[in-house]
Amino acid sequence: GAVVSQHPSWVICKSGTSVKIECRSLDFQATTMFWYRQFPKQSLMLMATSNEGSKATYEQGVEKDKFLINHASLTLSTLTVTSAHPEDSSFYICSAGTSYGETQYFGPGTRLLVL
Amino acid sequence: DAKTTQPPSMDCAEGRAANLPCNHSTISGNEYVYWYRQIHSQGPQYIIHGLKNNETNEMASLIITEDRKSSTLILPHATLRDTAVYYCIASSNDYKLSFGAGTTVTVRA
Repeated sequence: GAVVSQHPSWVICKSGTSVKIECRSLDFQATTMFWYRQFPKQSLMLMATSNEGSKATYEQGVEKDKFLINHASLTLSTLTVTSAHPEDSSFYICSAGTSYGETQYFGPGTRLLVL
Repeated sequence: DAKTTQPPSMDCAEGRAANLPCNHSTISGNEYVYWYRQIHSQGPQYIIHGLKNNETNEMASLIITEDRKSSTLILPHATLRDTAVYYCIASSNDYKLSFGAGTTVTVRA
C-alpha cells in the first residue's frame, strides 16, 4: 500500500513553455501533498505544502506565480512550472501524507530539462 | 524542526548488519525521528519512524536512546540493493521533512 505516482517521469521542453507535473496517491487519500526539488548532487528542498481544497503554502524563496500548485482532490496534486527556463531544470518529487498517519510517501520523481 | 547530524558516508559488507548513526540533540518532545533512503535517481523510500520506543519492521530496526538525543538505524542483513543515501529527519506534527545531506551507504560484496 501507500503508493504515489508521478507523471511524466521525464520531460524536455523549450525555454518559455509551461510544464505540468501530476502527483497521484494510488491507494490512499492524501489530505496533504508536498513538492520538492532536487538539483544534482544536492539534497531535496521543500518547495511547497499543498492541502486539498485550499491554497498551497510556499517555502521562502519559492515563487508562487512561477510554480503553480493545484490540489483539487484527495488523490491528485499538480505542479505547473510556468515560463520554464534552463535554471528550472531539476528533479521534481512529490510526497503524500495520509489523514490518519504521520508518514509521507514519495513519488518516483519527474526529471525536467529545459532547453 | 531539530537539526540532525549523520556521517557523510560509510561502507558495509554484504550480509552483515549495517548500523547507521544519527544525532539529534535538540529534538523536542513532539518530534518524530524518520528514516528515508534514496536510491540513485529515484524518489525517497520510507524506512521507519519512531517517537520514543524502539521500532522494527520488515526493512529495519530503529533504536532511539532514552534521552532521544540520538538514534541508530539497523539494516540487519545488508544487500547490494541497500546501497543508497540514508536520511535521518526529525519532524513535528506538521509532517514537513527537512532533508540534510544524509549518509551515503555503500554495500560491498
